Amino acid sequence: DAKTTQPPSMDCAEGRAANLPCNHSTISGNEYVYWYRQIHSQGPQYIIHGLKNNETNEMASLIITEDRKSSTLILPHATLRDTAVYYCIVRPLYGGTQGNLIFGKGTKLSVKP
Amino acid sequence: DTAVSQTPKYLVTQMGNDKSIKCEQNLGHDTMYWYKQDSKKFLKIMFSYNNKELIINETVPNRFSPKSPDKAHLNLHINSLELGDSAVYFCASSQGRGSPLHFGNGTRLTVT
Repeated sequence: DAKTTQPPSMDCAEGRAANLPCNHSTISGNEYVYWYRQIHSQGPQYIIHGLKNNETNEMASLIITEDRKSSTLILPHATLRDTAVYYCIVRPLYGGTQGNLIFGKGTKLSVKP
Repeated sequence: DTAVSQTPKYLVTQMGNDKSIKCEQNLGHDTMYWYKQDSKKFLKIMFSYNNKELIINETVPNRFSPKSPDKAHLNLHINSLELGDSAVYFCASSQGRGSPLHFGNGTRLTVT
């Protein structure tokens, strides 16, 4: 079972920041927070991941709370092409199941003009 | 220059047939995976291969078998297809422990 909880859907106006929350209250010390998205009819796309520090790349920013029990993915200037299902996943770095991404239901983000 | 490519994109077949889905990655990754996305859109891992060795095998029927002729390929063979096998199958690859997975665009399998 997925160890994360996300709202089922969110709307965002084009050009505005999209803030997608995720709860992972049972996260372990060796587990990273990963974000993927799936645009309709495509494979999941990696966005960003982090352990405890905030992270930023060309796609998004990841803000992880100090207690690591929740995080927020930020798309700074959402476009229509960002409409997708966004998955928050906790994943252990080491161990036999380290590649076992467990996908939950995700958040369906709709970016509107 | 597609990183992870799967063929075919669509596969329609009858119950009882045997079929294969091919996957190739040109990223130089050492681990490859197969995921299944069912009609409810849940993505679940089926297999992964690391250096030609199976390291994850979830509770998948033995009618499904992964075959890896080399590091760049992980093909999925399915015997005696059933209606419940209808789904989208995604191949993925990663380099080493803990690195992000790169997914292909999926193969939609329909069993009639």
